Amino acid sequence: TQLLEQSPQFLSIQEGENLTVYCNSSSVFSSLQWYRQEPGEGPVLLVTVVTGGEVKKLKRLTFQFGDARKDSSLHITAAQPGDTGLYLCAGGGYNFNKFYFGSGTKLNVKP
Amino acid sequence: GAVVSQHPSRVICKSGTSVKIECRSLDFQATTMFWYRQFPKQSLMLMATSNEGSKATYEQGVEKDKFLINHASLTLSTLTVTSAHPEDSSFYICSAREGIANYGYTFGSGTRLTVV
Repeated sequence: TQLLEQSPQFLSIQEGENLTVYCNSSSVFSSLQWYRQEPGEGPVLLVTVVTGGEVKKLKRLTFQFGDARKDSSLHITAAQPGDTGLYLCAGGGYNFNKFYFGSGTKLNVKP
Repeated sequence: GAVVSQHPSRVICKSGTSVKIECRSLDFQATTMFWYRQFPKQSLMLMATSNEGSKATYEQGVEKDKFLINHASLTLSTLTVTSAHPEDSSFYICSAREGIANYGYTFGSGTRLTVV
């Protein structure tokens, strides 16, 4: 079982559309991170959120950390083919000295 | 910024042999390193957590005698896949953390292991 569940698992959209990816858990996290991974490469960090309710923006990407620190969302505005990739949330908890990844969301943006 | 070097990037080995994968933090001291395994089109599954100078902590279901982890210094951790089997073929990724804060992880570029 995954500590962090992401939805949707797969997403195929047209260029210009908006989308939201969700990351949920029953556990409380001290911080959550979002990564994007290309095939055959390691994940690349997009953002870290550490405060409940925090919202961070990175160009067309908006990240939010839930008030209860159990969930997070990633919203992409006007998606572009370059946004295609595997999006992963990951978190470290207060009670465990480990760092777990979510189940992943495979995004395909068609031109 | 922090850089983690993972080597080799690709390796092909015969069944029954052992393969060693290195993970180095180049410009910082990594108190903790993590090893992950990733199957095609799936997320990263944590295999083990290693702290410098102590035994690694393995996740449930990961064979510690098969996946040997050594974290002998603050800049180097190694994962040795022993008696490799085709089922061990996978993408292995390490990450390193500087300090104790539960964020600020840097990932290596991964190792594609193929056992034939």
